Amino acid sequence: DIQMTQSPSSVSASVGDRVTITCRASQGISFWLAWYQQKPGKAPKLLIYAASSLQSEVPSRFSGSGSGTDFTLTISSLQPEDFATYYCQQANSFPPAFGQGTRLEIK
Amino acid sequence: EVQLVESGGGLVQPGGSLRLSCAASGFIFSSYWMSWVRQAPGKGLEWVANIKQDGREKYYVDSVQGRFTISRDNAKNSLYLQMNSLRAEDTAVYYCATSMEVPMFDYWGQGALVTVSS
Repeated sequence: DIQMTQSPSSVSASVGDRVTITCRASQGISFWLAWYQQKPGKAPKLLIYAASSLQSEVPSRFSGSGSGTDFTLTISSLQPEDFATYYCQQANSFPPAFGQGTRLEIK
Repeated sequence: EVQLVESGGGLVQPGGSLRLSCAASGFIFSSYWMSWVRQAPGKGLEWVANIKQDGREKYYVDSVQGRFTISRDNAKNSLYLQMNSLRAEDTAVYYCATSMEVPMFDYWGQGALVTVSS
């Protein structure tokens, strides 16, 4: 099975900051990677699919990049509503696997 | 508007059974792969199972293989998860989700809490 590792596990940042979260796959997954945002008590929300495609109605301050084993999610200018936990997920092979999550907190 | 509404969660004893349902609306249900994803309290996300549009292909995570059964009724726009021989480690919020042709999950329900405890 493919393992997904995110870094950092948590990050503190301020409104307006640029933040980057990294996700590494234990073997190559081409561009079959998704990013999700989850707020406490809520279901996850798809942000990015196929490594860099922005899901409908997701603000353009979110962007994704990478291929193979190394991927990044970038939030260009943090807004108050962006403080949440973010998960990456590989969709290249079964079983689909999520990273452990990155908690984005207000500094 | 896409809506997925789970039901059937609750408290069950170890070894017991439970059936989750997911009512879908706002999209052509029969055109989508569907999945169940779970999240143990305070933990991350874990894919559990998925099912093809016509119900003929089903896949499971190893830890539930042989105990859980995913099914669907396209006439009723509904997805199901029959859970047998439940264990404490199955305690989680269970989400149903639509899936693209590759398993990336674009719409999610609000979740149903399953607690396995004596």
